[in-house]
Amino acid sequence: QSVLTQPPSASGTPGQRVTISCSGSSSDIATNTVTWYQQLPGTAPKLLIFSNNQRPSGVPDRFSGSKSGTSASLAISGLQSEDEADYYCAVWNDSLNGPYIFGPGTKVTVL
Amino acid sequence: QLQLQESGPGLVKPSETLSLTCTVSGDSITSPTYYWGWIRQPPGKGLEWIGSIYDSETTYSNPSLKSRLTISLDTSKNQFSLKLTSVTAADTAVYYCARLLSGYDGSGFFYYFNYWGQGALVIVSS
Repeated sequence: QSVLTQPPSASGTPGQRVTISCSGSSSDIATNTVTWYQQLPGTAPKLLIFSNNQRPSGVPDRFSGSKSGTSASLAISGLQSEDEADYYCAVWNDSLNGPYIFGPGTKVTVL
Repeated sequence: QLQLQESGPGLVKPSETLSLTCTVSGDSITSPTYYWGWIRQPPGKGLEWIGSIYDSETTYSNPSLKSRLTISLDTSKNQFSLKLTSVTAADTAVYYCARLLSGYDGSGFFYYFNYWGQGALVIVSS
């Protein structure tokens, strides 16, 4: 059972801005950096955001990440049909002797 | 270009050992920059971190799997492996191998998988 909380779903029309939250605790998000992964249907997850707000080369700048206290957020600006996917936040958890924790995932639907 | 490819039996009997190998091309598993790890995803469910390895002395394991888990490196073949003993149906999942980065930057401690294999489905069933 995940100790990170994400909404199970989010949706928007093309061009809209969608935000996904990831809520944790003082033992994980508050003390370590947050990563976001995108998993398109039937494919392996892909790194989307690392170190809270850094985009790897090749990730469009419509994806942005932020962190404040024990929560983090992923924003998708200018939503596109190809953004329909599952999105997972992840962070190292100090209190559980260091397991890497994934959030339960948020399914983004483009209406 | 970096590629990771999982291989191993797709069907394992309950109580037996699940063994998977990840073959890495385009990078050396002895690179001082990277760790190597495993993640799994039960059908229709979310991701679960299994563990990671840097060298034979440096491994991290999910506490829920630690007693059954071995992760190792084969530097001669540029591969790393996963062994999970005493499997049950709950271990049925797509297993991914991945390259990861870990350390500290201006934002704090980071740990993330930056390249993933395509995944291998392992079904535990008699």
